[in-house]
Amino acid sequence: DVKVTQSSRYLVKRTGEKVFLECVQDMDHENMFWYRQDPGLGLRLIYFSYDVKMKEKGDIPEGYSVSREKKERFSLILESASTNQTSMYLCASSLFGTTRGEKLFFGSGTQLSVL
Amino acid sequence: TQLLEQSPQFLSIQEGENLTVYCNSSSVFSSLQWYRQEPGEGPVLLVTVVTGGEVKKLKRLTFQFGDARKDSSLHITAAQPGDTGLYLCAGHKAAGNKLTFGGGTRVLVKP
Repeated sequence: DVKVTQSSRYLVKRTGEKVFLECVQDMDHENMFWYRQDPGLGLRLIYFSYDVKMKEKGDIPEGYSVSREKKERFSLILESASTNQTSMYLCASSLFGTTRGEKLFFGSGTQLSVL
Repeated sequence: TQLLEQSPQFLSIQEGENLTVYCNSSSVFSSLQWYRQEPGEGPVLLVTVVTGGEVKKLKRLTFQFGDARKDSSLHITAAQPGDTGLYLCAGHKAAGNKLTFGGGTRVLVKP
């Protein structure tokens, strides 16, 4: 089975800090995604990547950037953390893009608190 | 306003009862997926439906895609405590490479 591993389960940071969230997948998937999950809002796409060094903005990219230097690793960067970025962050991967019927494999999530 | 609206937001039932969760939109989707997320875990795909009117069954779970491909429902028969979780629908439009998620329905099945 595909394994998507997020480096931290819980993270507490201070306003203004630079934050790195790391995600690694072990199944040679082309596509990787970062979502944030907030109660009642479901999952909202921040950024996705369809190849190494390639990235595209999702629905809520403001305040975030990403890095994909290797196929298996996709990092989410909060350049200057703010309290409204307190959320659950979920990384996902898929063999191809999220075209019709493609399955997403999710990590267990990182609960980030910005104080 | 979300593109995919799920209802209800929360459902609490006794073991053995039936339940239905709805996922509605004014937009047409080329496919729709249902995920279940348990506490402390990421969502896990349950099913994908791609044809208008399609019905899929997964043991006690029945999934239906609306004829116009704008809505879907998930029906659980004789719910068990193991069905407890957050149920998320997600739709993909014909153009683009994004999956849009609904707000989720939290289901609690009490023994």
